[in-house]
Amino acid sequence: DQQVKQNSPSLSVQEGRISILNCDYTNSMFDYFLWYKKYPAEGPTFLISISSIKDKNEDGRFTVFLNKSAKHLSLHIVPSQPGDSAVYFCAASEGGSQGNLIFGKGTKLSVKP
Amino acid sequence: AAGVIQSPRHLIKEKRETATLKCYPIPRHDTVYWYQQGPGQDPQFLISFYEKMQSDKGSIPDRFSAQQFSDYHSELNMSSLELGDSALYFCASSSTSGGAPDTQYFGPGTRLTVL
Repeated sequence: DQQVKQNSPSLSVQEGRISILNCDYTNSMFDYFLWYKKYPAEGPTFLISISSIKDKNEDGRFTVFLNKSAKHLSLHIVPSQPGDSAVYFCAASEGGSQGNLIFGKGTKLSVKP
Repeated sequence: AAGVIQSPRHLIKEKRETATLKCYPIPRHDTVYWYQQGPGQDPQFLISFYEKMQSDKGSIPDRFSAQQFSDYHSELNMSSLELGDSALYFCASSSTSGGAPDTQYFGPGTRLTVL
């Protein structure tokens, strides 16, 4: 059973607009959440993380929101740029940032000029 | 900044052969993780090491083994290869320096093809 779910396999957004990528999880023991970006033939690149004690973390154009009661997190990218086009993986861990990661299946973001 | 290094980047093997994948973590990182990503799948955790000791084990087949060496590099040994082992194998590393666990940073992956 998939513990981390990214229900949208793809998302298309116009350059300059906001991209919102969603992620749901089922394991209430997860206490650390991350977003990774992945280009073809490359390893996942860390983007941003959030601990379960927070509900928001911001880093430049990237903001992650966590709703623990809904077991839902989202990644907002604003403004979106063509270079943001990639597959975005949501990942979660039970052991803080040291725990092994459980990944979602990814969402392919396409930002059109 | 130095990143995680994996070698080889590509590997082609026949069924029932063995393969060894290597991972060199970011300098001063003491923890190494191995993940397997099949075609169209999400990365699946295999095994991790902290300070040269196995720290956690995931869905790693018994045909696979791994270890972390004194210089913190890690090797994933895969025997009796099967067609289903064809995948991208990622290594990630992190640090617990200062007592604060750090984020996992991934290497570029090794693409293993079993024919």
